[in-house]
Amino acid sequence: QSALTQPPSVSGSPGQSVTISCTGTSSDVGGYDRVSWYQQPPGTAPKLMIYDVYNRPSGVPHRFSGSKSGNTAYLIISGVQAEDEADYYCSSHTSTNTYVFGTGTKVTVL
Amino acid sequence: EVQLMESGGGLVQPGGSLRLSCAASGFTFSNHWMHWVRQVPGKGLVWVSRIYIDGSRISYADSVEGRFTISRDNAKNTLFLHMNSLRVEDTAVYYCARGHDVGYGSDYWGQGTLVTVSS
Repeated sequence: QSALTQPPSVSGSPGQSVTISCTGTSSDVGGYDRVSWYQQPPGTAPKLMIYDVYNRPSGVPHRFSGSKSGNTAYLIISGVQAEDEADYYCSSHTSTNTYVFGTGTKVTVL
Repeated sequence: EVQLMESGGGLVQPGGSLRLSCAASGFTFSNHWMHWVRQVPGKGLVWVSRIYIDGSRISYADSVEGRFTISRDNAKNTLFLHMNSLRVEDTAVYYCARGHDVGYGSDYWGQGTLVTVSS
């Protein structure tokens, strides 16, 4: 159950697009459309932003979207805003009916 | 309003035991998978365990298998995590989280309870 691999940090100016990658294996990310993404500002609990690779829960801004190619999933923030600064984590269901989280990515808005 | 409230955290010696609780309200508890996730302060999220709506399906992370037991009381809308043989590396904030209605993901989280394992 090795953690999924994410870049430690990404940054962008307000209005730019930022993309966070999440790389796993064929036993997790690549094997199922069961990837979710979470936003965690400092000192708060995680918040679900995307589930099942592409789906956005109600209340999540449309600038957040998800995709997947092979063993890598992506979270795209189209037009990043200051309030999007936070840590972001991906998670995937696995072939052993467990879950695994990513290593986390800090998003900085310049 | 959906609410999840963890309790039971605290300081325990290595080798000791602790039981965490998660009181749920604002939704039909017995209709949802429930999860425990932990996080060392300043570090990343780590999935710990999950339990099906009636307790018939359970899974654990390798790091806690055989030491931790997840359970639920649907009559009391409460989720539990029984932790035995605690190790220093189990020190973390423990969150309970609700499984999403239709997809794979956790859509509501508690605020967490801190477990510190230290002599």
